[in-house]
Amino acid sequence: QVQLVQSGADVKNPGASVKVSCKAFEYTFSNSYLHWVRQAPGQGLEWLGWIGPGSGVTKTAQKFQGRVTMTSDTSISTAYMELSRLTSDDTAVYFCARQMYYYDNDNRGFYGAFDIWGQGTTVTVSS
Amino acid sequence: DIQMTQSPSSLSASVGDRVTITCRASQGISNFLAWYQQKPGKVPKLLIYAASTLQSGVPSRFSGSGSGTDFTLTISSLQPEDVATYYCQKYNSAPLTFGGGTKVEIK
Repeated sequence: QVQLVQSGADVKNPGASVKVSCKAFEYTFSNSYLHWVRQAPGQGLEWLGWIGPGSGVTKTAQKFQGRVTMTSDTSISTAYMELSRLTSDDTAVYFCARQMYYYDNDNRGFYGAFDIWGQGTTVTVSS
Repeated sequence: DIQMTQSPSSLSASVGDRVTITCRASQGISNFLAWYQQKPGKVPKLLIYAASTLQSGVPSRFSGSGSGTDFTLTISSLQPEDVATYYCQKYNSAPLTFGGGTKVEIK
């Protein structure tokens, strides 16, 4: 079925980088924006940015500019998010999510909410 | 950037109660508003998009309303399986900001 499958949990030292993968199944990977969201322990959801897998165009939240790199490989339907210069504040579960496309009652098309989510990747930053 | 503010941050209600959660945007976002449900230890699940459109498979006791800056998620008859944290999200433009969440418990 349509799903996103992420890479496994990772533990990193402060100052290191982490790269999380997100593989898409059963839909045309290049046709949908792919977003990254994180959730620190006991906290809410925080949006990191998006990538258009077909074009490679990205948009990163200002807070993460210069630290987040999003890439994609359409040949294997996989997106990647790399976060550099890790600190303990980056300890979180990282999700990828597909942005849906929908039509309103007037048949106008819009990019919408996140209808498919990966299972999450726990990244722990600790020395 | 547009801020999304949810209230209350938590609530406790009895099974069968009508529950209302509000979300306010600091600027108008038309109807580009989604609601998600996240159960403990689970992945967020899309409930509503375009402020009031129910995602396929979501029980009809969930409904959404609002436009511009003020939005509401309503559970018409709270069920035990609705225990979760609920988040609103704007998606009209980047950043696609989430509200702080509302934790719903059973009294």
